[in-house]
Amino acid sequence: SQTIHQWPATLVQPVGSPLSLECTVEGTSNPNLYWYRQAAGRGLQLLFYSVGIGQISSEVPQNLSASRPQDRQFILSSKKLLLSDSGFYLCAWSSGRTAGTEAFFGQGTRLTVV
Amino acid sequence: AQSVTQLDSHVSVSEGTPVLLRCNYSSSYSPSLFWYVQHPNKGLQLLLKYTSAATLVKGINGFEAEFKKSETSFHLTKPSAHMSDAAEYFCVVSDTIASGGSYIPTFGRGTSLIVHP
Repeated sequence: SQTIHQWPATLVQPVGSPLSLECTVEGTSNPNLYWYRQAAGRGLQLLFYSVGIGQISSEVPQNLSASRPQDRQFILSSKKLLLSDSGFYLCAWSSGRTAGTEAFFGQGTRLTVV
Repeated sequence: AQSVTQLDSHVSVSEGTPVLLRCNYSSSYSPSLFWYVQHPNKGLQLLLKYTSAATLVKGINGFEAEFKKSETSFHLTKPSAHMSDAAEYFCVVSDTIASGGSYIPTFGRGTSLIVHP
């Protein structure tokens, strides 16, 4: 069976510090991978998605970047965090190749920038 | 282009009464539609999905949703609310084909379900 791991669960970082959130998927190959951010009362905003190694699509301009160094690894990064980067970050995967395939989510990372 | 509108940011019900969470979608194609539930500080769990088969879809925990193409709606219902149903609920549409032929899900803003004893 497939599983998705996301860490850390919580993170408190000072403004201007770097960020690295990691997500890995097991039990599947060539998944679509996604990073979402959830701000209070604003639903889930798609930040990045990847359909293959080294292929990253950005949905919104921002202070963040994503990388996919391996097939089942997806990393969210920032060189210098802003207060507005605080939020709940969710990684997800799907097969994505046919209509109706659902996305599976990690447990999320609560990031607080202070 | 696809989009989804959840008409209520909060819904409050008493335990044992029916639940209705409303969702309208916009899609250029025959969409796939999903409902997810999120408990506080947790990831999202799939409740149910519609993929052009039966228009009435049954999910986990007694939830169901009906796809109505004429109304472009996919409302989520449950006959009797339980305290454990208190959570955030997201309606999702997926028909956009990104590069490489992949379907990308688009989320609504979410509806917070509050259940009173």
